[in-house]
Amino acid sequence: DVKVTQSSRYLVKRTGEKVFLECVQDMDHENMFWYRQDPGLGLRLIYFSYDVKMKEKGDIPEGYSVSREKKERFSLILESASTNQTSMYLCASSLLNLAGGPGDTQYFGPGTRLTVL
Amino acid sequence: AQKVTQAQTEISVVEKEDVTLDCVYETRDTTYYLFWYKQPPSGELVFLIRRNSFDEQNEISGRYSWNFQKSTSSFNFTITASQVVDSAVYFCALSEARNTDKLIFGTGTRLQVFP
Repeated sequence: DVKVTQSSRYLVKRTGEKVFLECVQDMDHENMFWYRQDPGLGLRLIYFSYDVKMKEKGDIPEGYSVSREKKERFSLILESASTNQTSMYLCASSLLNLAGGPGDTQYFGPGTRLTVL
Repeated sequence: AQKVTQAQTEISVVEKEDVTLDCVYETRDTTYYLFWYKQPPSGELVFLIRRNSFDEQNEISGRYSWNFQKSTSSFNFTITASQVVDSAVYFCALSEARNTDKLIFGTGTRLQVFP
């Protein structure tokens, strides 16, 4: 079974702090994703990565950065946390879409509920 | 533009009732993929089904069934004889052939099943 783990289930930080959210997957997936989930807005893609040291912006990258130094690990960084970044953060992974291929199912971690005071 | 609409924000039913969750999508691609995920109170999204645009056959898996209709751009999900354990938020999602690594999610439907 695919397993995606996230470093914390709950996190409380103060405005201006630098925050690291870690995600690890154990299925040798090329793709990794970070989403945030807010009531009434569904899931919105922040960043994704299709290879080590590669990253692409999603729909709402402002205020975030990412790091992928190893294939199994994808970190989301809030350089200076703000109260509007209080949210549920979900990490996902999937196999890389081969050219012309159908793409693969994304598998999700349990989420990190971040509160910024 | 690509979009997924789940018009039902919240549905409440009593155990053993049947319930249908609606999903309407928009895309200009002729090749695309549709998904349903379940998010129980624990928070983790659980994959339920993936369907490609060329396969309009309905699918049944136990108490779950999915009705895909291209004519109405809908991919509805029915739970038969609902149970309390079905209580969760359910998300419908779309990926397009031009960029199948990205999912576009609907806003979710919260289902509450009461005993």
